[in-house]
Amino acid sequence: GAVVSQHPSWVICKSGTSVKIECRSLDFQATTMFWYRQFPKQSLMLMATSNEGSKATYEQGVEKDKFLINHASLTLSTLTVTSAHPEDSSFYICSADGTSGSNTGELFFGEGSRLTVL
Amino acid sequence: DAKTTQPTSMDCAEGRAANLPCNHSTISGNEYVYWYRQIHSQGPQYIIHGLKNNETNEMASLIITEDRKSSTLILPHATLRDTAVYYCIAMTTDSWGKFQFGAGTQVVVTP
Repeated sequence: GAVVSQHPSWVICKSGTSVKIECRSLDFQATTMFWYRQFPKQSLMLMATSNEGSKATYEQGVEKDKFLINHASLTLSTLTVTSAHPEDSSFYICSADGTSGSNTGELFFGEGSRLTVL
Repeated sequence: DAKTTQPTSMDCAEGRAANLPCNHSTISGNEYVYWYRQIHSQGPQYIIHGLKNNETNEMASLIITEDRKSSTLILPHATLRDTAVYYCIAMTTDSWGKFQFGAGTQVVVTP
């Protein structure tokens, strides 16, 4: 099946620094990718929709200036957590639509990236 | 998208069938039912999806009631590796990909 890869798998950073997480579709092109966040013992929460070549759309309550999303190519979306603080520590997961726009098939998820802010 | 309701947890014996219920009583005619699972500290994995008809693939079967208000995911022969949180999600093609995950069902398969 199609593969979505995230990098890094885990990252530890100091408070106030910025961290970039990459999401790649390895064997298909994805015009749309999605970013989720998951706190311990909680479910996944959709943060934003990443559209290739245009601005991302953010869910209510998600700060667009803090979580910068860039989708510069059909196989890569990046999430940058700017000026990270301990409360940003979470499991960040991306997904990509591999159905060539048919919108009824399988959505592929990455392995997730665990961010710990000290 | 319709809200779904699932039991918080289920235990299942290894080798037996696991039947996971999901209630989606407010589902609309154009909403699909999707099932994903998440093994601890991994990204969600697609299992199966359907609209009206029952579906089967190499992983599971999906039984949707005739009125579409509920469905059941069946893992025919549960293994220890099936221990995971299982999510049932109702979604239209208009909001495709914007999955609203609920709490899901924690399934524990025991030897």
